[in-house]
Amino acid sequence: QVQLQESGPGLVKPSETLSLTCTVSGGSISSFYWSWIRQPPGKGLEWIGYMYYSGSTNYNPSLKSRVTISVDTSKNQFSLKLSSVTAADTAVYYCARVSTWASNYMDVWGNGTTVTVSS
Amino acid sequence: AIQMTQSPSSLSASVGDRVTITCRASQGIRYDLGWYQQKPGKAPKLLIYAASTLQSGVPSRFSGSGSGTDFTLTISSLQPEDFATYYCLQDYNYPWTFGQGTKVEIK
Repeated sequence: QVQLQESGPGLVKPSETLSLTCTVSGGSISSFYWSWIRQPPGKGLEWIGYMYYSGSTNYNPSLKSRVTISVDTSKNQFSLKLSSVTAADTAVYYCARVSTWASNYMDVWGNGTTVTVSS
Repeated sequence: AIQMTQSPSSLSASVGDRVTITCRASQGIRYDLGWYQQKPGKAPKLLIYAASTLQSGVPSRFSGSGSGTDFTLTISSLQPEDFATYYCLQDYNYPWTFGQGTKVEIK
């Protein structure tokens, strides 16, 4: 079955760019939407945005000016870049597959990766 | 952005209890709502989508209902593995927004 795995630096300095990659295994990245979600320590979930495998995107306006989600179909990966990070961006970051039958829902999730913003 | 308000924020229940969690949207969202379960240190897991459709592999003791602004997640007979935090998520329009979560604890 499809599995997702996040990867990237666990520590990012303030004002720098956070970069994460989600590798899709057991299935093709094509024909689905792919999303990023984050969860600050001890808090709830926040939807960051998604992209379609063809490249179209939709971002949370609260982060829109700083977020870029991109796809590399040749590697079956999609990526998140978040610029100008602050301590408020410290969180567990999850990638997820979005299925769109009847509604939009995230049916496959990665295990999550912890990113700490600190100097 | 559409605000999703869950109630209660937490509850204590015993194994075998019937548990109901509600989620209210700040505007109508048709049936564009999902329910997710999250255990400590784990990724969320999809339980219900389109308000009432049970995700494949999820036990039938979980059910969802509602449309418009008011939704419920019901666990008909709480099992030990159900102690977790539950989130609703609206996908009616952007940005998709989660409720603040309901923590189900052991009484």
